[in-house]
Amino acid sequence: KNEVEQSPQNLTAQEGEFITINCSYSVGISALHWLQQHPGGGIVSLFMLSSGKKKHGRLIATINIQEKHSSLHITASHPRDSAVYICAVRRGSQGNLIFGKGTKLSVKP
Amino acid sequence: GAGVSQSPSNKVTEKGKDVELRCDPISGHTALYWYRQSLGQGLEFLIYFQGNSAPDKSGLPSDRFSAERTGGSVSTLTIQRTQQEDSAVYLCASSPTSGGQNIQYFGAGTRLSVL
Repeated sequence: KNEVEQSPQNLTAQEGEFITINCSYSVGISALHWLQQHPGGGIVSLFMLSSGKKKHGRLIATINIQEKHSSLHITASHPRDSAVYICAVRRGSQGNLIFGKGTKLSVKP
Repeated sequence: GAGVSQSPSNKVTEKGKDVELRCDPISGHTALYWYRQSLGQGLEFLIYFQGNSAPDKSGLPSDRFSAERTGGSVSTLTIQRTQQEDSAVYLCASSPTSGGQNIQYFGAGTRLSVL
């Protein structure tokens, strides 16, 4: 079993829909990251969470440490949101990230 | 530069050749990471450097892989006697420290193709 599991693996939405991507992990962590990877390959860090909730524009990320679960929400989705969204966790004091396999999001106009 | 810079952006090599991939981290960042993303696979950790500490090499898949970081800045990932399964995008990231509350900034990657 992977230490970081994401669902769904693929997601197709219509423009304007509310989107939720889920991430569950099985190890103790010091932080959880949500990353965005566009078709060209570049990776951008969206959020880093250790508790609670963060919001940036139309993106909201939440984490429940007790349940070892995080969600990434996109409100009023747009075709430019189409990308692979990757959940990654940092274990304890270790520096490296452990990645989920990503969720490929396609938003249709 | 403003971001993490990797070179070359693309590298095609023949099986059995050695390759070197370069990463210039963001100035002042003490932590540097190498990751690999194989076709259809998720990202996997290879190695990370934090300041003058011994690097964490626990993710290197074989002894054909090695990395150096000179002067606490530029890093080179070397793959000796390349194999076809080494074909992947190799990503470098840096952060101010390796502490849990630091965002990692990623380079655009080097796409390695081993023929």
